[in-house]
Amino acid sequence: DSGVTQTPKHLITATGQRVTLRCSPRSGDLSVYWYQQSLDQGLQFLIQYYNGEERAKGNILERFSAQQFPDLHSELNLSSLELGDSALYFCASSPDHRGEAFFGQGTRLTVV
Amino acid sequence: AQSVTQLDSQVPVFEEAPVELRCNYSSSVSVYLFWYVQYPNQGLQLLLKYLSGSTLVKGINGFEAEFNKSQTSFHLRKPSVHISDTAEYFCAVSGEDSSYKLIFGSGTRLLVRP
Repeated sequence: DSGVTQTPKHLITATGQRVTLRCSPRSGDLSVYWYQQSLDQGLQFLIQYYNGEERAKGNILERFSAQQFPDLHSELNLSSLELGDSALYFCASSPDHRGEAFFGQGTRLTVV
Repeated sequence: AQSVTQLDSQVPVFEEAPVELRCNYSSSVSVYLFWYVQYPNQGLQLLLKYLSGSTLVKGINGFEAEFNKSQTSFHLRKPSVHISDTAEYFCAVSGEDSSYKLIFGSGTRLLVRP
């Protein structure tokens, strides 16, 4: 158990819908990362937050947004969903900015 | 920008044989390097890390890796593998070049055969 909690574990939704994925980092970790993992794209970095502030942005679509709240939990919002958004979404947390990240079990999103 | 190349998409090996999974990175400044393992239907687990200091780092499950700055490599090794080591292995880098984003390679599937 990495100490990072992601909910829900599975999500099935229709195209055009909006979903929210939730992540609780390890106690004391200030950094939260979001990744998308799919068979064709591999593990893609989406976005990183550090102590509530956006720190780095990767290949995150405009339909996607994220935030980190004062209690350090984070949410990833995916809207206007398309079939191609089906993937495993991972959250990871880190005690600092160097990248030693601890991953959650992921949320498997299926868009039908 | 930083990038990571894992040269082998799949490495088959017999049980109890040694294995090396190759990783090369590109960066113009100092880096932090990591190896993660992903078992089926699970998240990624940190195997080992290089942040500074000794270039030979030891991790969990008997794995070790050596940071070679001149060759920009961080290959993962294990002297004797077990069936249970079958998994996907990811090399990752972070550093100033990437604004400390953790950038992953495409992964190497280690397949241990009896």
